[in-house]
Amino acid sequence: GAVVSQHPSWVICKSGTSVKIECRSLDFQATTMFWYRQFPKQSLMLMATSNEGSKATYEQGVEKDKFLINHASLTLSTLTVTSAHPEDSSFYICSARLGTLNTEAFFGQGTRLTVV
Amino acid sequence: AQSVTQLGSHVSVSEGALVLLRCNYSSSVPPYLFWYVQYPNQGLQLLLKYTSAATLVKGINGFEAEFKKSETSFHLTKPSAHMSDAAEYFCAVSGTGDYKLSFGAGTTVTVRA
Repeated sequence: GAVVSQHPSWVICKSGTSVKIECRSLDFQATTMFWYRQFPKQSLMLMATSNEGSKATYEQGVEKDKFLINHASLTLSTLTVTSAHPEDSSFYICSARLGTLNTEAFFGQGTRLTVV
Repeated sequence: AQSVTQLGSHVSVSEGALVLLRCNYSSSVPPYLFWYVQYPNQGLQLLLKYTSAATLVKGINGFEAEFKKSETSFHLTKPSAHMSDAAEYFCAVSGTGDYKLSFGAGTTVTVRA
């Protein structure tokens, strides 16, 4: 199957700093990528839909200025957590759809963010 | 809008016993349904998917699920549990033209030796 690579796998940062997480589709082009957040022992919550070459679509309640999403190419989307605070600590997962006809979403391995 | 409800946040089974994870969906359009498995600190791996073809769907690792429209269900089963099946399982739904996935709360499976 298609491979989605997420980097880094884990990161620790200080409060007030910004952290960038990369999501790459390694062997296919993804016009649409998705960013999820997962709290411990909970389900995945969709944060935003990232569209190549256009602005991301954020879900209700997600701060656009806090979670900056850039989808500059068909194989790369980035999520930047700006001015991170301890409450932003979470597991962030990206996924990408393979084309428009195939309905399967492929997930990255996730990024564990800890803000201290 | 689409949503799924997973009944039972935790399931414990003996090795070799049947695994049954329940999922009911709500959808205003014909749904696409998925089961994913997640191991600790990892992303999600697709077990199987229903996309309006055969109602009995076979997936990886011996899992299968049956789409029952009359019951709005998509329960996941495996005849004989293995220790490696211990993980978190998520049911998810999307609309036919909507690529967004809505996930259930998840079910933790533990396998007893």
